[in-house]
Amino acid sequence: SQTIHQWPATLVQPVGSPLSLECTVEGTSNPNLYWYRQAAGRGLQLLFYSVGIGQISSEVPQNLSASRPQDRQFILSSKKLLLSDSGFYLCAWMWGIGAFFGQGTRLTVV
Amino acid sequence: RKEVEQDPGPFNVPEGATVAFNCTYSNSASQSFFWYRQDCRKEPKLLMSVYSSGNEDGRFTAQLNRASQYISLLIRDSKLSDSATYLCVVNSLHTDKLIFGTGTRLQVFP
Repeated sequence: SQTIHQWPATLVQPVGSPLSLECTVEGTSNPNLYWYRQAAGRGLQLLFYSVGIGQISSEVPQNLSASRPQDRQFILSSKKLLLSDSGFYLCAWMWGIGAFFGQGTRLTVV
Repeated sequence: RKEVEQDPGPFNVPEGATVAFNCTYSNSASQSFFWYRQDCRKEPKLLMSVYSSGNEDGRFTAQLNRASQYISLLIRDSKLSDSATYLCVVNSLHTDKLIFGTGTRLQVFP
């Protein structure tokens, strides 16, 4: 069966520090992968999506970046975090019947 | 105009009530439609896909109206455990993007 792993579950980082969140999928190949952010009390904002290795589409200008070094690995990064980067970050993979999410990373930038 | 719009609610209903949520989408090329449920501080989970002919899963019924570009979710015989935020999701095969509405909050009270 397919599973999606995302870590860490919670993270507290100072302003200006780097960020790396990792997402991996098991049990499938060539999945469409997505990174979303949900600010407190808000909806899910699509940040990046990828349809294959090295293929990244960015939805909003920001100081975040994404990479897909392997078929089932999707990484969200930042060189210098801002306070506004705080939120609930969710990785998802998509196939015919819908998208399935990792458990999310709750990031607090202080 | 947002790509996917929902009434944020909250909808406060007694146990046993029937409640309906609507969602409109702006991209007429949208191909796939879903309803998700999100509990507080958790990742969204797929509730049901929405098919052109409408579909039912127990107490839940989903409908799609392509001409008017809206989808609906009907919950019959509401349970306390139905309290959550319900997210409308639209996917366009042309772009591989999965766009979420901001969600409708449901609170079922005894």
